Amino acid sequence: QVQLVESGGGVVQPGRSLRLLCADSGFTFSSHAMHWVRQAPGKGLEWVSVISYEGSNKNYADSVKGRFTISRDNSKNTLYLQMDSLRAEDTAVYYCARDRAHCTNGVCYRGGWFDPWGQGTLVTVSS
Amino acid sequence: AIQLTQSPSSLSASVGDRVTITCRASQGISSALAWYQQKPGKAPKLLIYDASSLESGVPSRFSGSGSGTDFTLTISSLQPEDFATYYCQQFNTYPYTFGQGTKLEIK
Repeated sequence: QVQLVESGGGVVQPGRSLRLLCADSGFTFSSHAMHWVRQAPGKGLEWVSVISYEGSNKNYADSVKGRFTISRDNSKNTLYLQMDSLRAEDTAVYYCARDRAHCTNGVCYRGGWFDPWGQGTLVTVSS
Repeated sequence: AIQLTQSPSSLSASVGDRVTITCRASQGISSALAWYQQKPGKAPKLLIYDASSLESGVPSRFSGSGSGTDFTLTISSLQPEDFATYYCQQFNTYPYTFGQGTKLEIK
């Protein structure tokens, strides 16, 4: 069963940086697009970023564009989120999630919905 | 960005009730909509994708319908484990967006 495990969260001062990791224990990580989604305390879900299966295409929410960078290392089955210039409003639980879209043997299948999700890692931006 | 508006924001219902949650998109998104269930302290769980396709392993009392701008999630007979918060999500256009959530509580 595919399992996603996030790490790297913690307490950080405004303006500082943090890097989140998401480790995939499955065998098909390199075939799937991957996302980051966040949830501020007591609030709803907010999509943050996506990276294509091979890492060449990326997209960001306007709220993090220019400050966050998504990347992946398919040799390590690991997804990253580099968060710079952090603000108080970035405080949230950050989830990684696998997109159902995938490419296998040169054939790509559409997706856009998320399954599975990791358990989340809490990022608190506070002085 | 495409806005998704869910209604109601909260709902009280009893075990055995039939419940419908609505999600309205600010512009047409064809059938590019998913529904998730989230319980406190847990990650969201996929229920429905492509507006009406039931995810494997999800009970058949859950169903989705709609296309274009108006979508619904229906639970045909509420079970105790269904009390949670439900979110819709569009994947027609980046940035992907979620509805604000509907909290389903026990009456």
